[in-house]
Amino acid sequence: DTAVSQTPKYLVTQMGNDKSIKCEQNLGHDTMYWYKQDSKKFLKIMFSYNNKELIINETVPNRFSPKSPDKAHLNLHINSLELGDSAVYFCASSPAGTSGTYEQYFGPGTRLTVT
Amino acid sequence: AQSVTQLGSHVSVSEGALVLLRCNYSSSVPPYLFWYVQYPNQGLQLLLKYTSAATLVKGINGFEAEFKKSETSFHLTKPSAHMSDAAEYFCAVTTDGSSNTGKLIFGQGTTLQVKP
Repeated sequence: DTAVSQTPKYLVTQMGNDKSIKCEQNLGHDTMYWYKQDSKKFLKIMFSYNNKELIINETVPNRFSPKSPDKAHLNLHINSLELGDSAVYFCASSPAGTSGTYEQYFGPGTRLTVT
Repeated sequence: AQSVTQLGSHVSVSEGALVLLRCNYSSSVPPYLFWYVQYPNQGLQLLLKYTSAATLVKGINGFEAEFKKSETSFHLTKPSAHMSDAAEYFCAVTTDGSSNTGKLIFGQGTTLQVKP
């Protein structure tokens, strides 16, 4: 069973389009995250939800909008895609403080290419 | 605010040699520290974690790391490198702050190359 899954794995689209990435975890965690990994492999937090409530919203263009329909799912919608949005996007989940544990479990990533 | 610095963006070792990947952190409160490994075109896999229990932490695949508060370091080691260890390694820090978000701050990553 895959703990954290993301769809799609690859996404190629043109500038100006709108696209979504979906994430699901079956670990029973309350907290989920979106990270962006750039071409130099640097990882940066974008958003985090705890039990469907937004708790982290870093300096991200408002073209990016996360949505959490329930605590097992966290989706990322991107409007008006730009070339600079090309990156690998990772979803992660964590018990985040439950019993003093903070490790995060990552999905396989979605490689977004904007042309 | 927390930060992580990984010394050496690229480390090359021979198969069977010692692996040492360096990580220094900055945190005003007791940190939780992690090492993750990323194989090509895959997600991040947790290697090991420090959560204020033992300072010497053992992880998967024969890796271990030692938390040294006086040096603000959390270096990753493995006695004998294997070809399959070639990957990108990330050190990360979080804290048990009042916001309790568990946000991870990552280092820049170190590419480990293992030569036959």
